[in-house]
Amino acid sequence: KAGVTQTPRYLIKTRGQQVTLSCSPISGHRSVSWYQQTPGQGLQFLFEYFSETQRNKGNFPGRFSGRQFSNSRSEMNVSTLELGDSALYLCASSSLYRTSAGELFFGEGSRLTVL
Amino acid sequence: QQQVKQSPQSLIVQKGGISIINCAYENTAFDYFPWYQQFPGKGPALLIAIRPDVSEKKEGRFTISFNKSAKQFSLHIMDSQPGDSATYFCAASSSGAGSYQLTFGKGTKLSVIP
Repeated sequence: KAGVTQTPRYLIKTRGQQVTLSCSPISGHRSVSWYQQTPGQGLQFLFEYFSETQRNKGNFPGRFSGRQFSNSRSEMNVSTLELGDSALYLCASSSLYRTSAGELFFGEGSRLTVL
Repeated sequence: QQQVKQSPQSLIVQKGGISIINCAYENTAFDYFPWYQQFPGKGPALLIAIRPDVSEKKEGRFTISFNKSAKQFSLHIMDSQPGDSATYFCAASSSGAGSYQLTFGKGTKLSVIP
């Protein structure tokens, strides 16, 4: 069974540009969530989608957005990039409705560098 | 506001020793406490998890100890091996949140030296 797949794995952008990251969850998983990982702040929750609906959103500015498609694949978008957006963006999926019911499966992440 | 505090930030242990990582939480609504292990270049992977109805859970060399009254939980790695060298994250979530959202500690980089 294929794991969570994220593309692209690495990308470099300049300030002011926008970026779209893609995530394909494990087959059958309907919940997809996104996390930002930085050395200073660690892993921070961005948002979570279940069956195309955003159920929860972390404390990030509106420049960060996402969506989920009917096949459960998800994309996140960051507009007007800032230097501080440089991070590893991790996607995670799960087959269950609530976190407390089971584990999240993470992808290997998309490493974004903003120059 | 950091809701899950993790210590130490880094840890060096001799092969065969015991590694101990501690976490404390503030939100009493948290009812699920997993530990994730992350190797360089990889995403985090679930190591072991506990719910507050038990005080300890053991899986192989890994044990979680949970103290509900103190709002603390810890990971013990017995007989630590060089292959255990990784970054460990504690996390917490609330089933009442109605969605998948983990609040993570800031991580502990474990180095096990031969």
